[in-house]
Amino acid sequence: GAVVSQHPSWVICKSGTSVKIECRSLDFQATTMFWYRQFPKKSLMLMATSNEGSKATYEQGVEKDKFLINHASLTLSTLTVTSAHPEDSSFYICSAVRQVIAFHEQFFGPGTRLTVL
Amino acid sequence: GQQVMQIPQYQHVQEGEDFTTYCNSSTTLSNIQWYKQRPGGHPVFLIQLVKSGEVKKQKRLTFQFGEAKKNSSLHITATQTTDVGTYFCAGANTGNQFYFGTGTSLTVIP
Repeated sequence: GAVVSQHPSWVICKSGTSVKIECRSLDFQATTMFWYRQFPKKSLMLMATSNEGSKATYEQGVEKDKFLINHASLTLSTLTVTSAHPEDSSFYICSAVRQVIAFHEQFFGPGTRLTVL
Repeated sequence: GQQVMQIPQYQHVQEGEDFTTYCNSSTTLSNIQWYKQRPGGHPVFLIQLVKSGEVKKQKRLTFQFGEAKKNSSLHITATQTTDVGTYFCAGANTGNQFYFGTGTSLTVIP
């Protein structure tokens, strides 16, 4: 299967700082990437759809100025958590979509554990 | 917004028993995917169903997509300890955005 990497795998930061998370598809091009947030023992919550060359589409309740998304190329999307606060602590997972005709297969990155002190 | 519910939330089975998880969407889906997530890991793609009433099999796993494209199920025959994990369905809207179900955590007792 295809490989998607995320960096960093974990980060601890102080309240008020910004954190950038990178999501890369290593062996395929992805025009679409998704960013999810997962709380312990909970499901994945779709935060936004990242489209190469255009603005991200945010889900209802997700602040676009808080979670900045940039899809700079067909293999890279970044999520920046601005002015992070303890309530932003979570597991953030990206996925890259590989489309083959009608099939949209998502390949997930390993996730980034963010802890805001 | 789109809601995708799964039942049961937890399931404990004896090794060798069968297991089924059900997924229900509040809206008609374009397609549905199933994922398995092991503790500490990330979701791993299992399968995608696109057609109404579609049934697909992967060894001991059987996936069904309802006629109305609003529900789906995953059935595992004769569970093994390697089947342990949380199974998520993810329903896609017409824009191919995926909304994950609440998940079913499977424990297999040897």
